[in-house]
Amino acid sequence: ELKVEQNPLFLSMQEGKNYTIYCNYSTTSDRLYWYRQDPGKSLESLFVLLSNGAVKQEGRLMASLDTKARLSTLHITAAVHDLSATYFCAVDGSRGSNYKLTFGKGTLLTVNP
Amino acid sequence: NAGVTQTPKFQVLKTGQSMTLQCAQDMNHNSMYWYRQDPGMGLRLIYYSASEGTTDKGEVPNGYNVSRLNKREFSLRLESAAPSQTSVYFCASSSNLGEQYFGPGTRLTVT
Repeated sequence: ELKVEQNPLFLSMQEGKNYTIYCNYSTTSDRLYWYRQDPGKSLESLFVLLSNGAVKQEGRLMASLDTKARLSTLHITAAVHDLSATYFCAVDGSRGSNYKLTFGKGTLLTVNP
Repeated sequence: NAGVTQTPKFQVLKTGQSMTLQCAQDMNHNSMYWYRQDPGMGLRLIYYSASEGTTDKGEVPNGYNVSRLNKREFSLRLESAAPSQTSVYFCASSSNLGEQYFGPGTRLTVT
């Protein structure tokens, strides 16, 4: 059974600081996804990582995937208040094209002025 | 292009009542999914449909049934609602990269 662990689960940081959220998973996979969820809202896709060594960047967020270590990171650079949200990683542990995702519990990020 | 739509947005049921949550997507995706989200639990897969005419159980299927009516529509039915089914329900569909697109959610309370 695929297990996906995120840490930390809660992160309070100051504006302007850098930090990294970690996503570890238990079985072989080379498909990993990051999502953002604002309070009371749905999930919005941030990054799609489909191979070992994949790196994607959008604004102050950068995601990477190391399939050998079964680890993905979401790095936040010079945080701003607008980044406050819950961030989920999700791993596709299925074969073929079913794309069945297992989600981590999420990291609640609060960026304080 | 509406993406993934869900109805209703909110629902209150009494224990034992039944209801169907509707989901539709207009992105011509083959795969569709139903999740529930509970505080501190992330999203858990209830059922999914890899293509029209097929459905499979996910992590937490007990108490639910699904129907893939056609390529666009995937419904979730609660035959006899229980308080443990109080949750937020999300429908999603996936592209050929596996990226999932989520509907706005249905907030269900069972009393």
